[in-house]
Amino acid sequence: NAGVMQNPRHLVRRRGQEARLRCSPMKGHSHVYWYRQLPEEGLKFMVYLQKENIIDESGMPKERFSAEFPKEGPSILRIQQVVRGDSAAYFCASSPAMGQSYGYTFGSGTRLTVV
Amino acid sequence: KNEVEQSPQNLTAQEGEFITINCSYSVGISALHWLQQHPGGGIVSLFMLSSGKKKHGRLIATINIQEKHSSLHITASHPRDSAVYICAVRKVDNTDKLIFGTGTRLQVFP
Repeated sequence: NAGVMQNPRHLVRRRGQEARLRCSPMKGHSHVYWYRQLPEEGLKFMVYLQKENIIDESGMPKERFSAEFPKEGPSILRIQQVVRGDSAAYFCASSPAMGQSYGYTFGSGTRLTVV
Repeated sequence: KNEVEQSPQNLTAQEGEFITINCSYSVGISALHWLQQHPGGGIVSLFMLSSGKKKHGRLIATINIQEKHSSLHITASHPRDSAVYICAVRKVDNTDKLIFGTGTRLQVFP
């Protein structure tokens, strides 16, 4: 029973390119959360998705960032026209449902470096 | 001021020592999580608490809802416990997202 799978583990992009980060939740989990960890900073919420729906995107930057969780396939966090300040570790977590009774399982993260 | 504060920021210990990491929060919560992150590694969920105390191996987590405070204890610490320990809370506003502390970096020396 694989955990939350994120790929790639490491991603290097030049300024202005696009970055696509993928997250496959645990089997049976339909809720996905993306978090960002900037260098020397704590984790910050970005977006919460269920299958085909964005539930809360209050943590997403207004421009260049988008997320989806299609009916089939992994959740994708997409960053267009990357800038140096986007360099960070991006973590995905999944849970089986909403509510305090349910814990989270985290992925290993994608470390994005913009050069 | 952060909604979730951890102390200490950095902690060094000798192998075998008893370790305590503290977390205070200023918002109403439905659950508190303790997470572990190894350098360059992923995040592992250690505990989810809404009241009382939980134990798993050498790790113990406690929470005092009235005082808005939680502690993570490690008994008989070992160098492999060296990691960043992160406290995170789920607010009662039903947004279902976690608010994180900045973490405590623990180094245990043999």
